[in-house]
Amino acid sequence: EAQVTQNPRYLITVTGKKLTVTCSQNMNHEYMSWYRQDPGLGLRQIYYSMNVEVTDKGDVPEGYKVSRKEKRNFPLILESPSPNQTSLYFCASSSLDSRGEQYFGPGTRLTVT
Amino acid sequence: GEDVEQSLFLSVREGDSSVINCTYTDSSSTYLYWYKQEPGAGLQLLTYIFSNMDMKQDQRLTVLLNKKDKHLSLRIADTQTGDSAIYFCAESIDNQGGKLIFGQGTELSVKP
Repeated sequence: EAQVTQNPRYLITVTGKKLTVTCSQNMNHEYMSWYRQDPGLGLRQIYYSMNVEVTDKGDVPEGYKVSRKEKRNFPLILESPSPNQTSLYFCASSSLDSRGEQYFGPGTRLTVT
Repeated sequence: GEDVEQSLFLSVREGDSSVINCTYTDSSSTYLYWYKQEPGAGLQLLTYIFSNMDMKQDQRLTVLLNKKDKHLSLRIADTQTGDSAIYFCAESIDNQGGKLIFGQGTELSVKP
């Protein structure tokens, strides 16, 4: 089954404790992206990657890191989480010739206290 | 910069038509999209329209595009309770459809 998986689905952590949210897709997609969803703000892109070893900042990259060492994986790293990073995070992937049909993961709800 | 605007809430009665509106700013967008998010789930592509089209119909869904006014709408005919969800308008700002700008989302509530 074609899918994007994210782990964990729910995470409660404390300020400053490094964490990683994993994202994996099994569709051989070139393009992968991370978004955060906040009430009234819709989805805002954090980072994206056009292919292996190619990453770029989205609209709200501060406080986040990513890597793309393999085509299928695109982890999101929070080196020192802060309460303003409490949010719902989505990973998405698409083929570069897909007319923008992005496949979304189920989301990771992160709470930073 | 690029911006996509939607109203936040819409409430309709079951069986009525729903119209969700969206305005965007980037006139060079190749594609415009409607995504649906059901409670507790990720987004799923509902439909899209190519920028040189005015209208696209797909079963109960009708998408209208007014390029002059940069206005996009989604009409759902015979709205059902299962249509209750958040609907996101999005525009592509690259030629490959990889970089999308999303609106805030419209929460559609369908009352029986």
